[in-house]
Amino acid sequence: DVKVTQSSRYLVKRTGEKVFLECVQDMDHENMFWYRQDPGLGLRLIYFSYDVKMKEKGDIPEGYSVSREKKERFSLILESASTNQTSMYLCASSYGRNFQETQYFGPGTRLLVL
Amino acid sequence: DAKTTQPPSMDCAEGRAANLPCNHSTISGNEYVYWYRQIHSQGPQYIIHGLKNNETNEMASLIITEDRKSSTLILPHATLRDTAVYYCIARGGSQGNLIFGKGTKLSVKP
Repeated sequence: DVKVTQSSRYLVKRTGEKVFLECVQDMDHENMFWYRQDPGLGLRLIYFSYDVKMKEKGDIPEGYSVSREKKERFSLILESASTNQTSMYLCASSYGRNFQETQYFGPGTRLLVL
Repeated sequence: DAKTTQPPSMDCAEGRAANLPCNHSTISGNEYVYWYRQIHSQGPQYIIHGLKNNETNEMASLIITEDRKSSTLILPHATLRDTAVYYCIARGGSQGNLIFGKGTKLSVKP
């Protein structure tokens, strides 16, 4: 079974704080993704990575950065958290170089920025 | 990716089969039909996917019409734990991101 884990289920941070969200997958997947999910807006892709140290911007990268130093781990960084980054953050991973492969999601991190 | 249309909500009695429809009339030949579900406040869970042929796994069956313009996800014996929002996606894989529509909120009732 594919397992994708995220470092926290719930997180409360203050405006201006630096926030790290970690994601780990145990299936040796090449691709990893960070999404945010907001009511009425569906899933929106923030960043993805298809290899170690490689990253690509998704649809809404502003205010975020990512790091992939090891194949199994993909971190999302909010350099200076703002209230409009309050959201559910979802990490996913998939196999192979072809993005058609199934994406498997972690349990999500619900972030509240005060 | 082709647009999909699903009913906003459905009810199903516990123990009965839940049949969730999805229209994807503009689907192209290389697009797969994927189904995910999301239980409240959890990450989306992959259920099943297919291209042309019907598919079955331990969770569900996927029936795709011959013209591929619609499909049905079948949960053969729904339980209360199957209450969730179910998303149907037509996906070509030309880009990385998944695009979820509004989905169908399935309520399984005792």
